[in-house]
Amino acid sequence: KQEVTQIPAALSVPEGENLVLNCSFTDSAIYNLQWFRQDPGKGLTSLLLIQSSQREQTSGRLNASLDKSSGRSTLYIAASQPGDSATYLCAVRSGSARQLTFGSGTQLTVLP
Amino acid sequence: SAVISQKPSRDICQRGTSLTIQCQVDSQVTMMFWYRQQPGQSLTLIATANQGSEATYESGFVIDKFPISRPNLTFSTLTVSNMSPEDSSIYLCSVEEDWGYEQYFGPGTRLTVT
Repeated sequence: KQEVTQIPAALSVPEGENLVLNCSFTDSAIYNLQWFRQDPGKGLTSLLLIQSSQREQTSGRLNASLDKSSGRSTLYIAASQPGDSATYLCAVRSGSARQLTFGSGTQLTVLP
Repeated sequence: SAVISQKPSRDICQRGTSLTIQCQVDSQVTMMFWYRQQPGQSLTLIATANQGSEATYESGFVIDKFPISRPNLTFSTLTVSNMSPEDSSIYLCSVEEDWGYEQYFGPGTRLTVT
């Protein structure tokens, strides 16, 4: 059974810092991995989707990497802003599974 | 990306009653999913709803408690039946254009059962 872990559970940084969020998964036979952000009391916003054959994806100030063999993904946020404050969730689709398996998230606070 | 709306956005319901949540997508999609997010927790898949077939429920979720309809490729409903305070959660609808594609989420329905 796939398990997804996100460390740290919470992170607070001053505005302007570059930061890395971590996601690890137990079964490396994944189909793809998706990063989301969730604002308090709201739905999820898709940030990046990485297919199993890809090493990284970039969107604006965000860069996500994938290392299947080690069961890890990172989300790099450059020049953080207070508007980046949210919970960031990593989700993995394993093999032919119909569902995404979610991590518990990293709650990010960017201080002005 | 798909634009998804949910109704209602929030509701407060009494124990023993039922609530139907609607999910509308602005384009035709193959896969629709219903998730539950309990307070302070991550997301748990309730069921997958595909048009023209019965919903497929995950372990721990049953049709009698969470009946789902999927009448066409842009719409689905989830009913939370015979509610108890333990059903207080955010319920989220999500879609994929086809299996394995990027998944998009609606804004969620915040349910409080008293």
